[in-house]
Amino acid sequence: EPEVTQTPSHQVTQMGQEVILRCVPISNHLYFYWYRQILGQKVEFLVSFYNNEISEKSEIFDDQFSVERPDGSNFTLKIRSTKLEDSAMYFCASRGFNEQFFGPGTRLTVL
Amino acid sequence: KNQVEQSPQSLIILEGKNCTLQCNYTVSPFSNLRWYKQDTGRGPVSLTIMTFSENTKSNGRYTATLDADTKQSSLHITASQLSDSASYICVVINLFTGGFKTIFGAGTRLFVKA
Repeated sequence: EPEVTQTPSHQVTQMGQEVILRCVPISNHLYFYWYRQILGQKVEFLVSFYNNEISEKSEIFDDQFSVERPDGSNFTLKIRSTKLEDSAMYFCASRGFNEQFFGPGTRLTVL
Repeated sequence: KNQVEQSPQSLIILEGKNCTLQCNYTVSPFSNLRWYKQDTGRGPVSLTIMTFSENTKSNGRYTATLDADTKQSSLHITASQLSDSASYICVVINLFTGGFKTIFGAGTRLFVKA
């Protein structure tokens, strides 16, 4: 069964450093998403991406965040200068016509 | 405001027992409602998807109901197993021209004890 994959599973970084979280969506999907979940809180929408551009973003997705689809398979989330409050699980998701599938997540720890 | 409220916040049941989780939403326009199971530290996994016209949908021991008039949904788990211990998240999809928005509930944390 096709699945969304994410790497790394756990990323530890120092405050102020840049991180890139990687996702490989399901191959025939056209819509891609990033979400985050701070420990003990609900899942929050960050950004959606379609046709090589951002289609929607939340107020969380400020200038320190960016997304890219550098090739035909990867979908990345970059955080330019990490802050302590960026520590969270980051989930990638992709969608075909209707069904949305989530990846296993990357746990980001900012020290 | 588009919101999804779930109850209870957490629930402890004995293995083999049934339980029902509740979800109320104020999302418009409504496209569909999904229940996800999320194990600790993992991504959400879809259990059921229900559209406006569906009242009940089952997936093994999971049965979801939807009342689009009262904007309520429930997830019933039958004959619970230890592996059912997880968070169960209700997600309402707001599908509109040019957009697809997911509104997440805070989840119900279920603990199944032997």
